[in-house]
Amino acid sequence: QSVLTQPPSASGTPGQRVTISCSGSSSNLGSNYVYWYQQLPGTAPKLLIYRNDQRPSGVPDRFSASKSGTSASLAISGPRSEDEADYYCASWDDSVSGWVFGGGTKLTVL
Amino acid sequence: QVQLVQSGAEVRKPGASVKVSCKASAYTFTSYGISWVRQAPGQGLEWMGWISTYNGNTRYAQKFQGRVSMTTDTSTSTVYMELRSLRSDDTAVYYCARDSGGNAVYWLGYWGQGTLVTVSS
Repeated sequence: QSVLTQPPSASGTPGQRVTISCSGSSSNLGSNYVYWYQQLPGTAPKLLIYRNDQRPSGVPDRFSASKSGTSASLAISGPRSEDEADYYCASWDDSVSGWVFGGGTKLTVL
Repeated sequence: QVQLVQSGAEVRKPGASVKVSCKASAYTFTSYGISWVRQAPGQGLEWMGWISTYNGNTRYAQKFQGRVSMTTDTSTSTVYMELRSLRSDDTAVYYCARDSGGNAVYWLGYWGQGTLVTVSS
């Protein structure tokens, strides 16, 4: 059972906006930043969003994210076939003094 | 560009130990720490712990306390993770990942390619 809660799957067409939620608690999302990672099949995770809503250079602007209280979300505007991957949210957790992750959400582009 | 290159796949019997290496390049090694994260087959990500490459200080997840050791060799820019008393549920891909500020609380910006550890009798 993951500390952060994500839906197991999400889907959308290239013309849609897809959102993936991430729910936590006061010791993680409530007091620390959220980060998002993209894991393409058979590869290592890649940082997608840092410090709640910042995109590293090279990440397309169709990816955006936000956080409010103990919840966060990742949005993909007009997903492409190459965006089919698992997406994980992560946060530092003060109660365990360590990183905690969501269970991951598998994105399917229809 | 920043690179973390991990050692190759390992097969161990239950009760044995495994040591995985992570060699860093293209940045100042001692300015950033390294975390280890594992992923069991078909499962999510699990943080195991972090080591400061500056002074060797470690933070281990409670679950792995007493069974994991992380060490650093500044002469070769390499970090090692040893896991002892292996069980079948330790079968996973083990990733090293560099933090973004020399402290465990900084996000994991660069990841190694992963090392598959299989525990089977």
